Amino acid sequence: DGGITQSPKYLFRKEGQNVTLSCEQNLNHDAMYWYRQDPGQGLRLIYYSQIVNDFQKGDIAEGYSVSREKKESFPLTVTSAQKNPTAFYLCASSPGQGSTEAFFGQGTRLTVV
Amino acid sequence: GQQVMQIPQYQHVQEGEDFTTYCNSSTTLSNIQWYKQRPGGHPVFLIQLVKSGEVKKQKRLTFQFGEAKKNSSLHITATQTTDVGTYFCATTWGGSRLTFGEGTQLTVNP
Repeated sequence: DGGITQSPKYLFRKEGQNVTLSCEQNLNHDAMYWYRQDPGQGLRLIYYSQIVNDFQKGDIAEGYSVSREKKESFPLTVTSAQKNPTAFYLCASSPGQGSTEAFFGQGTRLTVV
Repeated sequence: GQQVMQIPQYQHVQEGEDFTTYCNSSTTLSNIQWYKQRPGGHPVFLIQLVKSGEVKKQKRLTFQFGEAKKNSSLHITATQTTDVGTYFCATTWGGSRLTFGEGTQLTVNP
């Protein structure tokens, strides 16, 4: 089954701990994205990557880090520097230049207590 | 920064009424995409428009891209309860930077 997989669906962490959210795609897409969604809000871009070993900051990158060592994987680390980490995190991928239709994973709901 | 503004934020309709959401930008857009997110779900791609003045239809949904490529609209004719969800417009900047409007949350009263 082709698609984009985020795990886990729900995640709980204590304040002050770093946490890494997984995102894997087997669609052979070049571009991958991370968004944050707060209740009743839109999608805010955290980081995106157009190609392996390259990524760019989005609109709200502070307190987050990413890596893109493999085409199919784009993990997001929520660091202790992120002041309000509790949110719904969505990963997406798209074929890349010339075709930008984005496919989303099911999302990870992170709660920091 | 580069962004698209979407209005209204919320829309409540009776089943059978029409619904329209609008997306506006201060700069010319290379494309506009529309997504639907059901409650508790993830956004799902509906359509992409790239040409000035383009109009596309999907059953009861009509999508328009303005002549100046600075605005777009999504119109639903005769809403049904299955139309409930949040509708987002989105666009790419510089080829791959995909950003979204704040969405219009549609509720349909049966």
